[in-house]
Amino acid sequence: GQSLEQPSEVTAVEGAIVQINCTYQTSGFYGLSWYQQHDGGAPTFLSYNALDGLEETGRFSSFLSRSDSYGYLLLQELQMKDSASYFCAVGDSSYKLIFGSGTRLLVRP
Amino acid sequence: DTAVSQTPKYLVTQMGNDKSIKCEQNLGHDTMYWYKQDSKKFLKIMFSYNNKELIINETVPNRFSPKSPDKAHLNLHINSLELGDSAVYFCASSHRQGNEQYFGPGTRLTVT
Repeated sequence: GQSLEQPSEVTAVEGAIVQINCTYQTSGFYGLSWYQQHDGGAPTFLSYNALDGLEETGRFSSFLSRSDSYGYLLLQELQMKDSASYFCAVGDSSYKLIFGSGTRLLVRP
Repeated sequence: DTAVSQTPKYLVTQMGNDKSIKCEQNLGHDTMYWYKQDSKKFLKIMFSYNNKELIINETVPNRFSPKSPDKAHLNLHINSLELGDSAVYFCASSHRQGNEQYFGPGTRLTVT
């Protein structure tokens, strides 16, 4: 079967660092992506890992370990505007993304 | 300029009706998608087209029919709407490798 698991909810304080984990089991693997979605908005692309290691984009970093079928999104210097849902997604084929159920991040002052 | 646009943004209709949602992208992408996001925010792929050719057709009732007149447009027609069709439908596009996808603003469909 195909499944992605990520925590349903995470709470953190403004200025802190938070890590959102994602484990996956899919028939194919064409990379791990992360998307952010604010309430009432559309998913927006954050990052993509095709190979093992850490990718950094400003305050956000994403990590992948293919041997462990595991990745995470690291958000640093949290801001109130980071409160949103975060989805990991695995490329099951060249065209198809399978999304996790999303992690709702609540940033408190 | 809006990258991926969808119309309408909201759609309220009765059971049994037929409705269409339109999507257009001006990013020059080759691949377009339709997703359904339910009330629990689960995002599921429905269809994907690459250069007007259907390449992904998930287990979707055949009441749903996508149409791609050209690679910048992907429309979704839904026949005989049911209560369970109520959801937010997102259009998206990408270059050939679909890991970085750009989503439209969504169409919130409510079937009463």
